[in-house]
Amino acid sequence: EPEVTQTPSHQVTQMGQEVILRCVPISNHLYFYWYRQILGQKVEFLVSFYNNEISEKSEIFDDQFSVERPDGSNFTLKIRSTKLEDSAMYFCASSEARQAIQYFGPGTRLTVL
Amino acid sequence: SQQGEEDPQALSIQEGENATMNCSYKTSINNLQWYRQNSGRGLVHLILIRSNEREKHSGRLRVTLDTSKKSSSLLITASRAADTASYFCATEKSGNTPLVFGKGTRLSVIA
Repeated sequence: EPEVTQTPSHQVTQMGQEVILRCVPISNHLYFYWYRQILGQKVEFLVSFYNNEISEKSEIFDDQFSVERPDGSNFTLKIRSTKLEDSAMYFCASSEARQAIQYFGPGTRLTVL
Repeated sequence: SQQGEEDPQALSIQEGENATMNCSYKTSINNLQWYRQNSGRGLVHLILIRSNEREKHSGRLRVTLDTSKKSSSLLITASRAADTASYFCATEKSGNTPLVFGKGTRLSVIA
């Protein structure tokens, strides 16, 4: 069964460094998302992406964040200058249509020291 | 906010018993989805129920939706130790809007 994959599974970085989290959505899906989950808290929406542009973003998704679909398969989340509070699990998701099931990847645990 | 909020926050039952988790939300929705998350792992989709549906089944799972009360319930019948996980409801409004998750219910099924 097709699934969303994410790399790396765990990323440790120093405060102020840039990180890129990678996702490979399910191949026939058109809508892509990033969510994050701070330890012990709820899953929070960051950004949605469709037709090569951001369709919606939350207040969390400020100027330090960016997303890109550099080729036909990858979907990336870049955090330019990481802060301690960026430490969280970051989940990528994809869906084949609007209002359809969103399939989540296994997540990348980001630890900012 | 259209947040889904689950209750109880934690539930501990014996294997074989049924587990019921509830979710309430505040605004009109297009659909409501239930997800499971094992500790430190990703989210696994369980069921999507649309606003014009009242009940859906999938194996041992039964989901109900009451839009007049803005609430949903997830019933797991004949629970197993492997059902131990956190369960989240997530709501989606009309249009291309993101999922809004609740805080989840931590279910422990004791063998």
